[in-house]
Amino acid sequence: DAGVTQSPTHLIKTRGQQVTLRCSPKSGHDTVSWYQQALGQGPQFIFQYYEEEERQRGNFPDRFSGHQFPNYSSELNVNALLLGDSALYLCASSLGGGLVNIQYFGAGTRLSVL
Amino acid sequence: GENVEQHPSTLSVQEGDSAVIKCTYSDSASNYFPWYKQELGKRPQLIIDIRSNVGEKKDQRIAVTLNKTAKHFSLHITETQPEDSAVYFCAASIREAAGNKLTFGGGTRVLVKP
Repeated sequence: DAGVTQSPTHLIKTRGQQVTLRCSPKSGHDTVSWYQQALGQGPQFIFQYYEEEERQRGNFPDRFSGHQFPNYSSELNVNALLLGDSALYLCASSLGGGLVNIQYFGAGTRLSVL
Repeated sequence: GENVEQHPSTLSVQEGDSAVIKCTYSDSASNYFPWYKQELGKRPQLIIDIRSNVGEKKDQRIAVTLNKTAKHFSLHITETQPEDSAVYFCAASIREAAGNKLTFGGGTRVLVKP
């Protein structure tokens, strides 16, 4: 049984560019959450998707957007990249539309913005 | 919104000793408190969690206690081993239909010296 998988593992972009990160949830899970983890800090919630809709959003600008597909996989898009967007981006999946809280994390995508 | 404070930021213990990490939260509506372990370059892994209707939970060498009145919860690791060396994160969440975002503390870097 595959766990949460994310791609790519590493990414280097320059300021102003756009990036798309991908996440496949754990088998049987229907909810995907995205987190940003800056170096030496705890993960910060970006948003959560359930039934292909953004259900909840953290304190991130509109440059951060997402999508969930019918197979429950998800994408995180970041436009107009800033140096401060450099971080580890973690995807977490859970079951039950968010009513069951246990979230399982992927290994993350490390984004470097130069 | 919810705010989670975690202390200490670093903890060095001798192998076999106990380690205690403390977290406080601000939102009294929070009712789910997981702990994650993150080894260098790896995904956060859930090691134990507790819900607000329980005061204490144990799993082998790991235990978590919750004081709802004081709004704080703690992780206890007994008989520490070198493989316990990692960064530990506490988190708080509210179970609700609109989602269940995790708000994380800043992390505690634990070093177990052999």
